[in-house]
Amino acid sequence: QVQLKESGPGLVQPSETLSLTCTVSGFSLTSYSVSWVRQPSGKGPEWMGRMWYDGDTAYNSALKSRLSISRDTSKNQVFLKMNSLQTDDTGTYYCTRDDGRWNWFAYWGQGTLVTVSS
Amino acid sequence: DTVLTQSPALAVSPGERVTISCRASESVSTGMHWYQQKPGQQPKLLIYGASNLESGVPARFSGSGSGTDFTLTIDPVEADDTATYFCQQSWNDPFTFGSGTKLEIK
Repeated sequence: QVQLKESGPGLVQPSETLSLTCTVSGFSLTSYSVSWVRQPSGKGPEWMGRMWYDGDTAYNSALKSRLSISRDTSKNQVFLKMNSLQTDDTGTYYCTRDDGRWNWFAYWGQGTLVTVSS
Repeated sequence: DTVLTQSPALAVSPGERVTISCRASESVSTGMHWYQQKPGQQPKLLIYGASNLESGVPARFSGSGSGTDFTLTIDPVEADDTATYFCQQSWNDPFTFGSGTKLEIK
């Protein structure tokens, strides 16, 4: 079955770089796109960016200068790197599989909580 | 960016019909989707393309709308429907989510 799982450090220092990994199973990264979505506690989610099935990327313009998404198809992994973290980057980070004509999110990872604090 | 506006909270009794609204700041055609999120869990897709029921989701859930005004309806509401409901548009770049409607079952 389709599964996604996020991994990475739970605590990041201000101004440092966040590195997260999304490991997928049950589908191919060359057939489906994967997005990163984050959610501050008690707030609505925010779409961060996408690794398209063909290897191209798309980013939320609000984060584009700090964000990089890449993949390793041999390991079924998608990576997120975001630099210059601040306290308002604290939240739960999810990877999702994009589905359908309009890229809705039918499959989500369990999420990983990232706290930005010194 | 396309702003999605939802009312913050609703409270209804079991067995009642509830409608949750989402208004977009610009047209999103039918590129609107609805999610249910319970505390400590990831969002769960309920409705895609404004009105299509995701597989496995009870038929008590339905969606309608196009353009800028959308509605998620639950009829009848059950106690287990206590959750926060988010709308999300994928018509305009970047994709955006609403701030959520917290549904309380009395």
